[in-house]
Amino acid sequence: SQTIHQWPATLVQPVGSPLSLECTVEGTSNPNLYWYRQAAGRGLQLLFYSVGIGQISSEVPQNLSASRPQDRQFILSSKKLLLSDSGFYLCAWEGGLAGGHSYNEQFFGPGTRLTVL
Amino acid sequence: GQQVMQIPQYQHVQEGEDFTTYCNSSTTLSNIQWYKQRPGGHPVFLIQLVKSGEVKKQKRLTFQFGEAKKNSSLHITATQTTDVGTYFCAGPPSNGGSNYKLTFGKGTLLTVNP
Repeated sequence: SQTIHQWPATLVQPVGSPLSLECTVEGTSNPNLYWYRQAAGRGLQLLFYSVGIGQISSEVPQNLSASRPQDRQFILSSKKLLLSDSGFYLCAWEGGLAGGHSYNEQFFGPGTRLTVL
Repeated sequence: GQQVMQIPQYQHVQEGEDFTTYCNSSTTLSNIQWYKQRPGGHPVFLIQLVKSGEVKKQKRLTFQFGEAKKNSSLHITATQTTDVGTYFCAGPPSNGGSNYKLTFGKGTLLTVNP
């Protein structure tokens, strides 16, 4: 069965410090991967998505970046955190179809709660 | 761009009462998905509707996809305390383009008074 891991679960960082959040998926290959941010426990804002190794699409201009160095690894980074970067960061995967479009359901990881002070 | 609106934002009910949340998209959707997020947890997929006018049931939950494939609803009969959480609808546009992403509504937070 497929599982998705995120770490750390919680993180408190000072303003201006760097950030690296990691997400890994097991039990599937060539998944579409997504990073979302959820502020104040409400709506999901899509930050980045990736349909393959090294392929990153950015949805919102900001001081965050994403990378996909391996098929089942997705990393969210920042060189200098802002107060507004606080939130609940969720990684998700979706089955995808080789060479086509897939609208299969998304499976979310447990998330990372980031507080920037 | 595509927008997905959900109403109400919040709903508080007494246990045993019914609950409905509505979802409306600014564009036609190829499908609609519903997710539930328990307090402190992550969103969990509930169901996907694909066909115009489709209705699906999961025990006390009834999901409906509109004829025009632009709106959807989730109805819970006789709510229980285990139904507490935020319910999100989400869907990809049906007009092509970047089709790998879902647009989520802002969700309806349901609280149930025992």
